[in-house]
Amino acid sequence: AIQMTQSPSSLSASVGDTITITCRASQDIRSALGWYQQKPGTAPKLLIYGASSVQSGVPSRFSGSGSGTHFTLTISSLQPEDFTTYYCLQDYNFPYTFGQGTKLEIK
Amino acid sequence: EVQLLESGGGLVQPGGSLRLSCVASGFTFSNFAMSWVRQAPGKGLEWVSRIDNSGGGTYYADSVKGRFTISRDNSKNTLYLQMNGLRVEDTAVYYCAKRYWSGGIGWFDPWGQGTLVTVSS
Repeated sequence: AIQMTQSPSSLSASVGDTITITCRASQDIRSALGWYQQKPGTAPKLLIYGASSVQSGVPSRFSGSGSGTHFTLTISSLQPEDFTTYYCLQDYNFPYTFGQGTKLEIK
Repeated sequence: EVQLLESGGGLVQPGGSLRLSCVASGFTFSNFAMSWVRQAPGKGLEWVSRIDNSGGGTYYADSVKGRFTISRDNSKNTLYLQMNGLRVEDTAVYYCAKRYWSGGIGWFDPWGQGTLVTVSS
């Protein structure tokens, strides 16, 4: 199975900051990577698909990049509602695999 | 509006069985693959299973292979997950998600609200 290593596992930042979360795949997954946001007690929400395409309705401060084995999610000008947990997901091969998650906290 | 509504969760003893359902609305269900994803309490997300739009292709995580069966009834717009031989470690919120595919790229959107399965004696 493809392993997805997501870092950092937690991150402290302030409103207005720009942060980057990284996912590394154990093998080449082309651009088959999505980023999901999950707020406590709710279902995950799609932010980015195909490594860099922003889902309709998602604020433009969210962006994704990368291909192959190295991917990043960048959130610029953090807003209070962005402080929650983020996951990457590879769907290049079965079994699909998630990163371990990154909890973004207010400093 | 696209909606997914899971049901069927509950408390079951180790070794027991449970069948989850996910009723879809707001889109042509038979055109889309579907997946189940779970989340143990306080833990991260784990992909469980996927079924092709026709039901002809099914895929499973190693952790559930041989115990869980995914299926669908396109006439009822419903996705199922039959879970047998349940273990304590299967305790989780189970989400269904619509698999969207376009231009060689796939993603999961939307997700249902989830149903809690608790395996305990």
